[in-house]
Amino acid sequence: QSALTQPPSASGSPGQSVAISCTGTSSDVGGYNYVSWYQHHPGKAPKLMIYEVNKRPSGVPDRFSGSKSGNTASLTVSGLQAEDEADYYCNSYAGNNNWVFGGGTELTVL
Amino acid sequence: QVQLVESGGGVVQPGGSLRLSCAASGFTFSNYGMHWVRQAPGKGLEWMAHMPYHEDKIYYADFVKGRFTVSSDTSSNTLFLQMNSLRADDTAVYYCARDGGHWELSNWGQGTLVVISS
Repeated sequence: QSALTQPPSASGSPGQSVAISCTGTSSDVGGYNYVSWYQHHPGKAPKLMIYEVNKRPSGVPDRFSGSKSGNTASLTVSGLQAEDEADYYCNSYAGNNNWVFGGGTELTVL
Repeated sequence: QVQLVESGGGVVQPGGSLRLSCAASGFTFSNYGMHWVRQAPGKGLEWMAHMPYHEDKIYYADFVKGRFTVSSDTSSNTLFLQMNSLRADDTAVYYCARDGGHWELSNWGQGTLVVISS
């Protein structure tokens, strides 16, 4: 499976909104509503932020939202805060009990 | 609360073997699927394998097949990753993660570092 395509970097000032895209194919992102997003601070355990495209686990701020159109999913972080600075990875179910990650996006809060 | 603790990482020579462990607690291990994911230095997360809770078959990413084997011991709530014929490009932090039941990886360990070097 090929990795999903994410921009390597994104940035925004505190309080602003930033969107991170995740492009796959009709065999993964476009074929299933099983896209999830993970926040990863280096040296720590990755944290689930969004699942099933747009659902937030308990405890995740509603500043984080997800969406999907065709083969591209997006994570939007609104009201940016300093602690949002991290690497973000999308993931999609790809059928036949296989999953695929995106290459990751480094989010910088300016 | 859900806790996953990986262990067993270290420095291994090319061609060698290593077995990683993932000790699970805070949930009924036998009721959840589990995943292994790795991250090479400076690279992104890479999905490796899924062990469903309800079937014996284990599913592997293509790059893993034939070299790595996932198993578990429900009596000790531990997931294992046996890695053979290790290569330099297997150098990575290896994470175990719990399947959340909605096609997502809901809980992760802190990872264990494996370095393949002569």
